[in-house]
Amino acid sequence: SYEVTQAPSVTVSPGQTASITCSGEQLGEKYVSWYQQKPGQPPVLVIYQDTERPSGIPERFSGSNSGNTATLTLRGAQTTDEADYYCQVWETTTIIFGGGTKLTVL
Amino acid sequence: EVLLVQPGADMREPGESLTISCQTSGYTFSDHWITWVRQKAGRGLEWMGRIDPTDSYTTYGPSFQGHVTISTDRSTATAYLHLRSLKSSDTAIYYCARRGDPEAMRGAPFDHWGQGTRVTVSS
Repeated sequence: SYEVTQAPSVTVSPGQTASITCSGEQLGEKYVSWYQQKPGQPPVLVIYQDTERPSGIPERFSGSNSGNTATLTLRGAQTTDEADYYCQVWETTTIIFGGGTKLTVL
Repeated sequence: EVLLVQPGADMREPGESLTISCQTSGYTFSDHWITWVRQKAGRGLEWMGRIDPTDSYTTYGPSFQGHVTISTDRSTATAYLHLRSLKSSDTAIYYCARRGDPEAMRGAPFDHWGQGTRVTVSS
């Protein structure tokens, strides 16, 4: 079965750029979505269709997807961006989530 | 405003069953899949399954096939997740979520989520 892999944690300094990756075989041929989840809250969609931002999501959030890796990029990281981030793909009839990456802004 | 409303919490004993509701509003119910996602404490998101309210076509994640049932009531715009023969390992938060417009959002992203139902299975 198809799998996607994320690093468990990423640390970034305030104001710097954070990159969170999601890896899977030929992932670039699939559409990737990204979710942000803060403690005690449901996930929030921040990127869909590899690069698109839903309304209300800051321009600081961007996405890319090529080859075997999709990347969520946060420019100008803020302490409010501290959260778990999950990638998600749709493989035939199955939805697959990555294991999540905990972003620390420190 | 799109809303997905779930009960906050529920508790059952091992072996019992439970049905969690997801009351939707603010959009045409049959236009969007509903999916269910499980999250155990301190763990990641697990996709359980989804339903197309148009025809009730369902698919389930491999770990949940045969253990859960997803259904809808179009008259009340409500989706349901039925959990049977509960074990302590089913203790988790269960989220319902709406698939975004399939014409505008490829890849089945979920653009609106319920607040989650915290289920505790304990004797």
